[in-house]
Amino acid sequence: ETGVTQSPTHLIKTRGQQVTLRCSSQSGHNTVSWYQQALGQGPQFIFQYYREEENGRGNFPPRFSGLQFPNYSSELNVNALELDDSALYLCASSLIEGNEQYFGPGTRLTVT
Amino acid sequence: AQTVTQSQPEMSVQEAETVTLSCTYDTSESDYYLFWYKQPPSRQMILVIRQEAYKQQNATENRFSVNFQKAAKSFSLKISDSQLGDAAMYFCAYRSARAGGTSYGKLTFGQGTILTVHP
Repeated sequence: ETGVTQSPTHLIKTRGQQVTLRCSSQSGHNTVSWYQQALGQGPQFIFQYYREEENGRGNFPPRFSGLQFPNYSSELNVNALELDDSALYLCASSLIEGNEQYFGPGTRLTVT
Repeated sequence: AQTVTQSQPEMSVQEAETVTLSCTYDTSESDYYLFWYKQPPSRQMILVIRQEAYKQQNATENRFSVNFQKAAKSFSLKISDSQLGDAAMYFCAYRSARAGGTSYGKLTFGQGTILTVHP
């Protein structure tokens, strides 16, 4: 069984740029959720994707967007990066009817 | 909106001893799930234990057990026979059991408790 993987591990971007983060879900899982974790804080829910559509969203502006592909992998796109976007971005996969989410190792994004 | 509060920013325990991490939550829902996740320095969030609100029996997973008090909205984690590998940030999390809505599938996390294990 393959776990959740994310790429890249680290990323440095300049304010105003755009970034794409990638996530491969655990084998057999059809749902992907994305979270933002600021340093020393708990993760904050960004959104969830199921059947290639956004299925739930937290309090994040529209410049945070995503995609889910037929193989259930997912992308998180952030436009017009701001300094406050610097964080660890976590992807979690699950079954839509399941209760447990399994997390990837995260992507550390630094915006300068 | 649901909130999760972990009032202990840091805790420490001696190896082989027992430690309890506290968590309280606020919700108007009657059906939900509660989780404890562990995040070591490697950053990978690992599920430790899960509790369904409709179950009165407290969940147990080997050395990890919870004390779930639904009326008090309290959900503490007890780690017995602590090991050096238990050192990590621990997060309490809430998930609604109600399908649908814009927050479906959302995990709401507390601020975390850093656990240090002394040899």
